[in-house]
Amino acid sequence: DAKTTQPPSMDCAEGRAANLPCNHSTISGNEYVYWYRQIHSQGPQYIIHGLKNNETNEMASLIITEDRKSSTLILPHATLRDTAVYYCIVRDRSSSNTGKLIFGQGTTLQVKP
Amino acid sequence: GAVVSQHPSWVICKSGTSVKIECRSLDFQATTMFWYRQFPKQSLMLMATSNEGSKATYEQGVEKDKFLINHASLTLSTLTVTSAHPEDSSFYICSARVFEGTSGRYEQYFGPGTRLTVT
Repeated sequence: DAKTTQPPSMDCAEGRAANLPCNHSTISGNEYVYWYRQIHSQGPQYIIHGLKNNETNEMASLIITEDRKSSTLILPHATLRDTAVYYCIVRDRSSSNTGKLIFGQGTTLQVKP
Repeated sequence: GAVVSQHPSWVICKSGTSVKIECRSLDFQATTMFWYRQFPKQSLMLMATSNEGSKATYEQGVEKDKFLINHASLTLSTLTVTSAHPEDSSFYICSARVFEGTSGRYEQYFGPGTRLTVT
């Protein structure tokens, strides 16, 4: 699976949009981009995933560049409860079939009042 | 979404003893479950893949005789840390694989984790 690069930490003001970048320059055509987050001392929580089109759900939006080498997770109105470590994971079709997820270091998002 | 539980949520044990952690899929059957370990301020590290009715597959560097995995049913996998030592103190997280018909892919749902402290 392709590696990802994320900034180690970011701050965001409460109520503002949080934009979390992820670089995956070696991504191949059949690899998906997944985002999970982990609130302190809890298990990871699925947020969103995409292949090449932008995606939106009740939690967030995922913007994938046209060349698919990077993506941005957007939390439109961050709250204090969004403070967590956010993981961007690239997964290919074979591991999509096995369900295996390999985590990188992620970005620690601190939402401040 | 699918719900995965773990028991206990935290445990303290003495060095040299064994500890069993349970992982259950509550509203679905999981032929495959995964066990992760997480040390403070570090990311999750995959330890092993647990397959119902067969032997677990361990990641490189994980001692299979120390971390015994049993996946005896479609809803339960157990991780036993044998002869635990202080360096085994960690946050252990399981996840279960479920096939999502809408996407046509296997997805992974995580349990809440078990905090193990070995004294």
